[in-house]
Amino acid sequence: AQSVAQPEDQVNVAEGNPLTVKCTYSVSGNPYLFWYVQYPNRGLQFLLKYITGDNLVKGSYGFEAEFNKSQTSFHLKKPSALVSDSALYFCAVRVAGASGTYKYIFGTGTRLKVLA
Amino acid sequence: DTAVSQTPKYLVTQMGNDKSIKCEQNLGHDTMYWYKQDSKKFLKIMFSYNNKELIINETVPNRFSPKSPDKAHLNLHINSLELGDSAVYFCASRPTNNYGYTFGSGTRLTVV
Repeated sequence: AQSVAQPEDQVNVAEGNPLTVKCTYSVSGNPYLFWYVQYPNRGLQFLLKYITGDNLVKGSYGFEAEFNKSQTSFHLKKPSALVSDSALYFCAVRVAGASGTYKYIFGTGTRLKVLA
Repeated sequence: DTAVSQTPKYLVTQMGNDKSIKCEQNLGHDTMYWYKQDSKKFLKIMFSYNNKELIINETVPNRFSPKSPDKAHLNLHINSLELGDSAVYFCASRPTNNYGYTFGSGTRLTVV
């Protein structure tokens, strides 16, 4: 079955330190991978995507993600965390749906807490 | 100038009632979606609409029905509400040639 896994329910990091939020996937074919962020009482916001090309993808708010095909991972990273980065982060993968369409599978989310 | 707007933001109702959640997008996107986020924050796709045609209907009970009067609207009707329907429901939209979603702020439904 095609799936996305975020192994950590919560990640705590001190402000100014680098952060990593993990994501692994299991899909057939070449994956299209995404990261979204959800702030309290808000909808999801698109951060970045990997379709093809460079394995290191840069996105919004200073975030980047590294695609690793051999490890089937797409970890989200940021060199220096801010308290305002505290939010819920979702990894997602696009897979083929019925009748030539596509659907997105989201991970269970990882809560990032940046401590001042 | 809200991009994807949902109403209401909060909805508390009794078991057995019928309710609707409205969604509108002013982005000109071609495809709209409904997602359900449960208490564990897991997002599950419910419906996808493209040019007023239902494309994906996941294994969702037929008590849930999407209604799209035009390309900018996708409403969610729920009949005979059950306790397990309590969740946050997100509407989203996406243009045809772009992979990035725009999500609404969610509707928190509580069935008592």
